[in-house]
Amino acid sequence: KAGVTQTPRYLIKTRGQQVTLSCSPISGHRSVSWYQQTPGQGLQFLFEYFSETQRNKGNFPGRFSGRQFSNSRSEMNVSTLELGDSALYLCASSLAGNEQYFGPGTRLTVT
Amino acid sequence: AQSVTQPDIHITVSEGASLELRCNYSYGATPYLFWYVQSPGQGLQLLLKYFSGDTLVQGIKGFEAEFKRSQSSFNLRKPSVHWSDAAEYFCAVGRDNYGQNFVFGPGTRLSVLP
Repeated sequence: KAGVTQTPRYLIKTRGQQVTLSCSPISGHRSVSWYQQTPGQGLQFLFEYFSETQRNKGNFPGRFSGRQFSNSRSEMNVSTLELGDSALYLCASSLAGNEQYFGPGTRLTVT
Repeated sequence: AQSVTQPDIHITVSEGASLELRCNYSYGATPYLFWYVQSPGQGLQLLLKYFSGDTLVQGIKGFEAEFKRSQSSFNLRKPSVHWSDAAEYFCAVGRDNYGQNFVFGPGTRLSVLP
C-alpha cells in the first residue's frame, strides 16, 4: 500500500505570495492532518480534515487554510506569505484521526 | 494543558552502545505517550505508544520505553544502537490517541559514531 505523498517536496516563494501544498493520503484513510515544523517552534498542529470537513484547528492565523476533496486528498494554502512561514509542512493521514502516518513533508522557503 | 520536555538536544553514541533518550511530561490526567522518529528528509514514524497497562512498552526497530508516573517520564531505550538509528526523536503527549491533541517535545538529535 502506497504511503502518504506530498507535493511539491521543495518550494521557494517570495514574501506576499501565496502557496498551495498537496497531500495524498494512504488509500482508505479519511482523515488528513497538517503540521508545521520549524526549528524554533517545533511541531505544531495546523488543522485536520475528515470527510471533506475541517474537524480540528490549531492556533494559526487565518492566512492558513485548507480543504479536502471527495477522494480524501487535501490541500493547504498559505496566503500573504511571511518570512516566518518558512518551515517543513507535514501531512499525516489516518483512518479516523488516530494512528497517524506521516508524509515526507514539503520544505517551504520564503525569501 | 500538557507539555513535554526532552532535556537532551543532541546525543552522540557509538554503534553497538546502549541508548536512552529522556522525555518528561506534564499533564494532569493519565497521558497518552508516544515516541516518533524522523530521519533526514522524511516524515515522522511512530516507534511506540503507551496508553495503559504494562509500563514497559515494546516498539519497532528494537526500541522500548518505560512509563514512570512518579517521575512523569517516558524514556526511550535501545540496548544496541545501529548506524541507521541516527535521526531525530520526538516524544509526544496527548489526552487521547488523536494526533490533533498531541504536544510534541522539541526533539533529540541522535548521532551514531562508527
